[in-house]
Amino acid sequence: GDSVTQMEGPVTLSEEAFLTINCTYTATGYPSLFWYVQYPGEGLQLLLKATKADDKGSNKGFEATYRKETTSFHLEKGSVQVSDSAVYFCALSERSGGYQKVTFGTGTKLQVIP
Amino acid sequence: DSGVTQTPKHLITATGQRVTLRCSPRSGDLSVYWYQQSLDQGLQFLIQYYNGEERAKGNILERFSAQQFPDLHSELNLSSLELGDSALYFCASSVGVGLAYNEQFFGPGTRLTVL
Repeated sequence: GDSVTQMEGPVTLSEEAFLTINCTYTATGYPSLFWYVQYPGEGLQLLLKATKADDKGSNKGFEATYRKETTSFHLEKGSVQVSDSAVYFCALSERSGGYQKVTFGTGTKLQVIP
Repeated sequence: DSGVTQTPKHLITATGQRVTLRCSPRSGDLSVYWYQQSLDQGLQFLIQYYNGEERAKGNILERFSAQQFPDLHSELNLSSLELGDSALYFCASSVGVGLAYNEQFFGPGTRLTVL
C-alpha cells in the first residue's frame, strides 16, 4: 500500500538557518504530493503541493520538488523564522479503484530559536 | 479561521460509551473528510463524503461510522469506546472530491478523552 516516510523530529534550528525536511513515498500510481503545517493548538493547513513529476510547489518561502526518480518531496526553506515553529506533515493522495486515498507521514516538529 | 466548525471542542467519556462528533463544512464545500490524530498512530485518514455519499474510506474501525446530511454537515459516530480511541478528531472540507485540485480546509478538532 501507499506510505509516506518523514525524517524523525524534532528539528531545532537557529533563526535564519536553512531548513530541509526529508520526505519519501511509495505509491502504486501517480500520486499528488502535499506539505501541510500544523501550528500549536490548530488544525492542519495546506502549505504547498505538486501534482506531477518535476512540479515545484512553493509558498511563504518554502519549496518542494516532486522527484519521481527518487520518490521524494523534500521541504526546504532558505531562512527560517521563529514563526515557522510548527509540525510539518508530508502527504500523498492517489486514486485507487474509483476511490481517493490520502496518506500522511508521521510529522516532523520544527523548533526555531532566536 | 478556516471556516470549518467542529463541536464539541472537548469530550470526556468512559469506555464502552458512544459519542457523536459534528462538523460543519465551509460554505459551498461539498466534501467532508474525517481524520484521527493520536500520539501512537499519527494522523490517519478515516473517511470522506461528497454531497451526501461516501467517496473514500481509510483506516476507519467498524465501531466508527459517519454520515453527511442534506445540509452537508457531517457526523462521526464512535461506539464501544476504548482507551485507545482517545485522540484529536479533525474534520476538513473542500469544494470537490480530488485533493490535487481542491484544497482541503481543516477545522480546529475535537479532543476526545476516553477514561
